[in-house]
Amino acid sequence: DQQVKQNSPSLSVQEGRISILNCDYTNSMFDYFLWYKKYPAEGPTFLISISSIKDKNEDGRFTVFLNKSAKHLSLHIVPSQPGDSAVYFCAASVEGGYQKVTFGTGTKLQVIP
Amino acid sequence: NAGVMQNPRHLVRRRGQEARLRCSPMKGHSHVYWYRQLPEEGLKFMVYLQKENIIDESGMPKERFSAEFPKEGPSILRIQQVVRGDSAAYFCASSPQGTTEAFFGQGTRLTVV
Repeated sequence: DQQVKQNSPSLSVQEGRISILNCDYTNSMFDYFLWYKKYPAEGPTFLISISSIKDKNEDGRFTVFLNKSAKHLSLHIVPSQPGDSAVYFCAASVEGGYQKVTFGTGTKLQVIP
Repeated sequence: NAGVMQNPRHLVRRRGQEARLRCSPMKGHSHVYWYRQLPEEGLKFMVYLQKENIIDESGMPKERFSAEFPKEGPSILRIQQVVRGDSAAYFCASSPQGTTEAFFGQGTRLTVV
């Protein structure tokens, strides 16, 4: 039972353009969402998070949008850079507990110079 | 301040042998989490530990797998009598508190031959 779904296994974007990575979840108890970035042979690196009390969180070139009614979140990267090429994992947890997150299967982003 | 250290980075075991994976959390972090990533899948939560205590092991297989986080020394994930299906990347993460974002190690890639 995949509670966090990333339906696009891969995405290619031209350098300078916007990258949009999507994520859907099914568990209505989730109220804290995270995005992690992972390079080959390395562990995931925390990128940005959002609590369910917000619908948008921005950090530099990265913005996460949350649509609770649709149980959908997205990560926008603008402008995209070649160094952004990596696998991006969406994750969700129940805030106030502990860091037991449920990960999606990941989207491999390739930014073409 | 060193990051989360996992060793070994690569481990090859024959079927039936034991595998021991070590994780040293970041300095000052007393919460440790183990995740497993099977090929083509996302990371799956296995176990959450604090010093000398297992808080949540709901993601651990019922048999052959165990984890500990002693008062002194690294956290250990132990897999007895390994089988081919145990081949995966095992990631450890740590956090100073249970509700903050966790920092991941580079992972141990276990191959069972």
